[in-house]
Amino acid sequence: DAGVTQSPTHLIKTRGQQVTLRCSPKSGHDTVSWYQQALGQGPQFIFQYYEEEERQRGNFPDRFSGHQFPNYSSELNVNALLLGDSALYLCASSLERRTYGYTFGSGTRLTVV
Amino acid sequence: AQTVTQSQPEMSVQEAETVTLSCTYDTSENNYYLFWYKQPPSRQMILVIRQEAYKQQNATENRFSVNFQKAAKSFSLKISDSQLGDTAMYFCAFMKPPGGDMRFGAGTRLTVKP
Repeated sequence: DAGVTQSPTHLIKTRGQQVTLRCSPKSGHDTVSWYQQALGQGPQFIFQYYEEEERQRGNFPDRFSGHQFPNYSSELNVNALLLGDSALYLCASSLERRTYGYTFGSGTRLTVV
Repeated sequence: AQTVTQSQPEMSVQEAETVTLSCTYDTSENNYYLFWYKQPPSRQMILVIRQEAYKQQNATENRFSVNFQKAAKSFSLKISDSQLGDTAMYFCAFMKPPGGDMRFGAGTRLTVKP
């Protein structure tokens, strides 16, 4: 049973560019949440997708956007990259936003230079 | 707004001994969920234990147990018989129903020494 899969593993982008990160949820899960984890800090909630809609959003600017596809996979897009966007981006999946705890992927390490 | 505080940036313990990681949180909610996650160097966050606020009984998962003090808003994690594989970052997290925004603390780096 595959867990949460994220791609790519590592990514280096230039300031001002745009980036797309991808996530496939655990089999049987239909809800995807995205988190940003800066170095030495705990993860911070970006947004959550359920039924192909953004259901909840954290305190992140509109440069951060997402999408969920009919197969429940999801993308995180970040426009106009800033140096401060350098972080580990974690995807977590669950079933119908239930509070059993999320299953996380291993993340995408984004470095903005 | 809910906040989670982990006051111990780093801790170490000898193999086979017991260690307790501290976590406090701030909320005005009465119904919520608390979690401990482990993040080894592989970066994947792994759920260690989960506690429902309306349950007074402390959750236990094998060598891992919690001391949940709702009135004090405290949620500590006890690891018994520590193993080298327990070396990791440990994050305390809070979530209110129906889910979504999970608030994490800054983490505690635990090192188990042989």
